Amino acid sequence: NAGVTQTPKFQVLKTGQSMTLQCAQDMNHEYMSWYRQDPGMGLRLIHYSVGAGITDQGEVPNGYNVSRSTTEDFPLRLLSAAPSQTSVYFCASSLNRGGGYPDTQYFGPGTRLTVL
Amino acid sequence: EDKVVQSPLSLVVHEGDTVTLNCSYEVTNFRSLLWYKQEKKAPTFLFMLTSSGIEKKSGRLSSILDKKELFSILNITATQTGDSAVYLCAVSFNSGGSNYKLTFGKGTLLTVNP
Repeated sequence: NAGVTQTPKFQVLKTGQSMTLQCAQDMNHEYMSWYRQDPGMGLRLIHYSVGAGITDQGEVPNGYNVSRSTTEDFPLRLLSAAPSQTSVYFCASSLNRGGGYPDTQYFGPGTRLTVL
Repeated sequence: EDKVVQSPLSLVVHEGDTVTLNCSYEVTNFRSLLWYKQEKKAPTFLFMLTSSGIEKKSGRLSSILDKKELFSILNITATQTGDSAVYLCAVSFNSGGSNYKLTFGKGTLLTVNP
C-alpha cells in the first residue's frame, strides 16, 4: 500500500492563480480530510468527506473547494490564490466507523504552498 | 466555540526525564480524543481514547482521559532525543448533522537534550 499520497510536494503561485492539490489513498478509507498547518496554529480543518459524493466544511473553508467523485481521490482546489493561503497542506484518511466519524487518521506527506 | 487547548506550548528536558503533556477540551457531542506525534513531516498516530480512566500504553508513552474534567494527559518516561517532536492533541466531535470531525490543539513542542 502506498498509503496517502499528495502532489505536488512544493508549489509557488502568484496571487489570483488557481490550482488543485491532489490527494489519493489506496486503503479503501471512506473518511478523508484536508488540513492546513501554519506556525503556532496547529492543524485546522478545511473540508472533509465521509464518502464518495459527500463533502462538508471544516473550520476554514473560504477560498477552497473540494469534491469526492471516488473513494480514492479527494482533490482540494484553490480558486484564486491569496498570500494568506501560504501554508503546509495535509490530506488525511481514515476508516469511517459507520457513524460518519473519523477513526485513526493517516496523513499524507504534505504540500508546501507559497503564494506571492 | 469548540476548542482544544494544550499545555505547555513548549518544553525542554534532559534525556531520562519524565514529561507530562496536557490537553483540555470544550466540545459538545464528544466522541474521542487522539494524540499524534509530528516530527518534521506528517503527524503520526499515537493513541485514541474514548473511555475515562483507561490508560493506553505503548512502550514509554502512556495516555489517559478524564471525560468528567474534560482533559487528557500524555506521559513520556525516560525520554530520549528521538522523542523530540510536536505532540498534537485532537478531539473528534459532532458539530451538527450526522457527521463528526476533528479539531486540533496547537501542539506542544518537546525538545529532549542529551
